[in-house]
Amino acid sequence: DAGVIQSPRHEVTEMGQEVTLRCKPISGHDYLFWYRQTMMRGLELLIYFNNNVPIDDSGMPEDRFSAKMPNASFSTLKIQPSEPRDSAVYFCASSSRVGYTFGSGTRLTVV
Amino acid sequence: DQQVKQNSPSLSVQEGRISILNCDYTNSMFDYFLWYKKYPAEGPTFLISISSIKDKNEDGRFTVFLNKSAKHLSLHIVPSQPGDSAVYFCAAMKGSQGNLIFGKGTKLSVKP
Repeated sequence: DAGVIQSPRHEVTEMGQEVTLRCKPISGHDYLFWYRQTMMRGLELLIYFNNNVPIDDSGMPEDRFSAKMPNASFSTLKIQPSEPRDSAVYFCASSSRVGYTFGSGTRLTVV
Repeated sequence: DQQVKQNSPSLSVQEGRISILNCDYTNSMFDYFLWYKKYPAEGPTFLISISSIKDKNEDGRFTVFLNKSAKHLSLHIVPSQPGDSAVYFCAAMKGSQGNLIFGKGTKLSVKP
């Protein structure tokens, strides 16, 4: 099992550009989560899906953020337009019971 | 308002001694509590969990204690090893699945 796979590992982009982060969950896991880690706020949940359906997106900071899960093996988190304050490490995780498996994260830097 | 709090941002311990990481929570409806360990440039990895119906769970060098009346849990690592140096996150959830709510983490440094 390759675990949760996130791409890219690092992303540097200019303010105003669109950024798309990708996640492949573990096969058979029916929950998928997007988290953001910053020094100030720690690990905060942005959105999560159950069986590809968004369940709770109350953590999505603004309308500039959107997430999709078109099928059980793929999800995207999009930021459009990106701003410097979006710079953080974004983690995807998947789960089928108590306890999650996290991906290695995408470090996003918006300059 | 933070539902899960780790009030110590860092902890330094000598190799071979006990490490105690603390966590407080505010929501009495949480059913499970988990500890995750995170190395730099990696995602958090699951370490140990405890159900709200228990007060202790042990796995090798790691033991988690839960005090529901105080809404407090702690992770004990005995004996501590330099490889234990990492950031430790406390997390809580309602039910058996759903979103995990994390504390801000405690950075543990175990010195040889």
